[in-house]
Amino acid sequence: KQEVTQIPAALSVPEGENLVLNCSFTDSAIYNLQWFRQDPGKGLTSLLLIQSSQREQTSGRLNASLDKSSGRSTLYIAASQPGDSATYLCAVSTLYGGSQGNLIFGKGTKLSVKP
Amino acid sequence: DTGVSQDPRHKITKRGQNVTFRCDPISEHNRLYWYRQTLGQGPEFLTYFQNEAQLEKSRLLSDRFSAERPKGSFSTLEIQRTEQGDSAMYLCASSFSGQGGYGYTFGSGTRLTVV
Repeated sequence: KQEVTQIPAALSVPEGENLVLNCSFTDSAIYNLQWFRQDPGKGLTSLLLIQSSQREQTSGRLNASLDKSSGRSTLYIAASQPGDSATYLCAVSTLYGGSQGNLIFGKGTKLSVKP
Repeated sequence: DTGVSQDPRHKITKRGQNVTFRCDPISEHNRLYWYRQTLGQGPEFLTYFQNEAQLEKSRLLSDRFSAERPKGSFSTLEIQRTEQGDSAMYLCASSFSGQGGYGYTFGSGTRLTVV
């Protein structure tokens, strides 16, 4: 059974710091991995999608890496800003009949960036 | 097409009442998913449709829950005889299942409070 773990559960940093959020999964037979952002009481906003054949994806100040063999992904946020404060969720898409199945989520990392 | 739409955004109901939520996915996406999220947890998979066929249901989906996707377009999730434990955020997402698979796009969710 696929399990996704995110470390740390919460993180507080001063504005301007670079930071790394970690995600690990137990079954390497994934279709893709996606990082989401969730603001309090809101839905999920997709940040980055990494296909199983890819090693990393970048969008602005965000960089996500994937090491499928070791079951790990990291989300790197450069020059953090107070507006980055949110919960960051990692999710892996299972394989289902050769295409993507449903998502298995971690519990998230709650990030607070202090001005 | 501006994304995945969910209605209503909030629902407060008395225990024992029935409730129905609606989700309108991105039109090009052939898959539609329902997830449930409780406080401090990542979303948990409930069920998904490919076009109008319901292909998978989680064991979380008790007999009181039913989902439909007539004509492969919008979907409804009905909860009968609501219980306080049903209080959660119900999230809808859509994706494309073709080769290469697109990432998921989530709606803003429906927050259910059972009193």
